[in-house]
Amino acid sequence: GESVGLHLPTLSVQEGDNSIINCAYSNSASDYFIWYKQESGKGPQFIIDIRSNMDKRQGQRVTVLLNKTVKHLSLQIAATQPGDSAVYFCAELASGGYQKVTFGTGTKLQVIP
Amino acid sequence: DVKVTQSSRYLVKRTGEKVFLECVQDMDHENMFWYRQDPGLGLRLIYFSYDVKMKEKGDIPEGYSVSREKKERFSLILESASTNQTSMYLCASRRTPASETQYFGPGTRLLVL
Repeated sequence: GESVGLHLPTLSVQEGDNSIINCAYSNSASDYFIWYKQESGKGPQFIIDIRSNMDKRQGQRVTVLLNKTVKHLSLQIAATQPGDSAVYFCAELASGGYQKVTFGTGTKLQVIP
Repeated sequence: DVKVTQSSRYLVKRTGEKVFLECVQDMDHENMFWYRQDPGLGLRLIYFSYDVKMKEKGDIPEGYSVSREKKERFSLILESASTNQTSMYLCASRRTPASETQYFGPGTRLLVL
């Protein structure tokens, strides 16, 4: 079956360093990808998205990279702050019809002060 | 900003009880979704609704039903709660199928004893 997975379940990063969270996807038909941040006790919050016609997209302190050749997605957080501590998960979506979204299981980012 | 609210943050129910989870969004979104989130399993789609009075089964609809009588409100119903329905329940909405990003509510953590 198709899946969206994360390589590292937990990532510990020193405050001020850059963080990289990875995601593998298997559905070659997926053409839209989203990163969500979920803080403890809260619902997922949209961070950034990217379409398959792009390989990089930047937001405020965050960058998403898409490598369609190896079906890999990453989220880079610059100058990681304690407030970035959360679970991050990716989601993939294939256009057409209902556009079923498949969510990854998440990576927990721990920022060390 | 999109606001999705859920009627309860925490619920404790007994096996066999009928449980109602309410979700309201204030942005006139056509599509609404109910997910459950369990450790290691990610988000799993229970039901979704394209529009008022329309509903479609997701990946794990067994033991659940839904109601969408008004555009802004999407209810999840556990007809006879069971312990394996103990979970975090997340509601989401999005504008149309062409608008891919889903916006999530804060979640309802349900414990069935």
